[in-house]
This record gives sequence, structure tokens and C-alpha cells, in this order.
Amino acid sequence: GNSVTQMEGPVTLSEEAFLTINCTYTATGYPSLFWYVQYPGEGLQLLLKATKADDKGSNKGFEATYRKETTSFHLEKGSVQVSDSAVYFCALSSNTGNQFYFGTGTSLTVIP
Amino acid sequence: GAGVSQSPSNKVTEKGKDVELRCDPISGHTALYWYRQSLGQGLEFLIYFQGNSAPDKSGLPSDRFSAERTGGSVSTLTIQRTQQEDSAVYLCASSQNGGNYGYTFGSGTRLTVV
Repeated sequence: GNSVTQMEGPVTLSEEAFLTINCTYTATGYPSLFWYVQYPGEGLQLLLKATKADDKGSNKGFEATYRKETTSFHLEKGSVQVSDSAVYFCALSSNTGNQFYFGTGTSLTVIP
Repeated sequence: GAGVSQSPSNKVTEKGKDVELRCDPISGHTALYWYRQSLGQGLEFLIYFQGNSAPDKSGLPSDRFSAERTGGSVSTLTIQRTQQEDSAVYLCASSQNGGNYGYTFGSGTRLTVV
């Protein structure tokens, strides 16, 4: 079956630190992979995506590379800001795209 | 509309009452999804509508939950005889032609059953 496992939080970093949030997946076929972000009091927003192996998704300084050999899609940012404090969800969509499978979310707090 | 709109944004109801939650998807999006986000939990899939096809109801937790989508646009999620464990944020999302390119989520309805 399909599932997503992401590192548990909470994660607390100082401003300008390097961020990695690990995400691994189990899937049948060739899923698309996503990172969503939920800022305090807001709904989920698509942060970045990758639709096939070796694709790199990027947005707002965040990056993630679709690694089929390690079934991973780790989120990275070289220098975090206070405004990046949010909950980050890794997700995959099934072959047919009719259902997403989300990780449990990783809470990130960036302190000045 | 410009985004996915959900109403109400907050709902407090007494145990045993019925509630209706509304979702207005992005115009032209054929796919509509409902998810539930409980405190400290990930997102739980509830139901999926795609065009005129029969909905995928495989995620509905009990027969107290039902959903409709009228005219391929607005959707209503109904919870009958609410229980305290139904308290959660109910999220709606829409996409074009399935979700392989990502969903757009609404801001959710926070349901509290007292």
C-alpha cells in the first residue's frame, strides 16, 4: 500500500541554520511527491512538488529531490528564517491521483 | 472563486446534533476532496469526488458521515449525531483532473463537539 513517514518534531532551529526534514515513502507504481506547509492559523499550502524520479522541486529557498532508489523526498533549506516557522507535511499521490497520503507533519520553530 | 472557500470557519455543536460543512471549490476544478485533521494527527482522507463519477467514500469513518457534491461544484459534508471524537479541523481541497499536480486547500472548518 501507500504510506508516508516523516521525521517527528518538533524541530527548533536558530535563524540562518540549515534545515532537513526527512521523508520516506512506500508506494505502488510511480507516485508524485509533495511538501505542504501550514502556517499558524492557516490552511495547507503547496510548497513544492516532484512528479518523477530525480526531479527536484523548489520554492521559497526550499528544495526536495525525488529519490526512487532510497524512496525519499527530504526537505532542505540552507538558511531558515523566523517566518518559516510552520508545520510541514510530506505527501504522495497515488497513480490515479485520486487520493493523497500525508505524513503526520513536522513542526518547525525558528528562533531569532 | 480565487481559492477554495469553506464555511463556517468555526462550529461548536452539542453532542448528538447534526452539522453541515460547506466547501466551494475553485471554479473549473473537477476533483474535490475532504480530509480531517485531528489535534496532533496527520491528515485523514474522507471522501473524493471526480466529475460525474461515483465518489470514493472509502475514508468515511462511519455511516454518520456523508457528503454530496451538487452540480459538480459545491460540496456539503454532513455529520449526523455528532460525537466528541468528531472534533477536528475538516479540510476541503480541489484540483484539476485529479491530484497529481497538487491540491489547493481551503482554510478548513474547526468543529468542536461539546
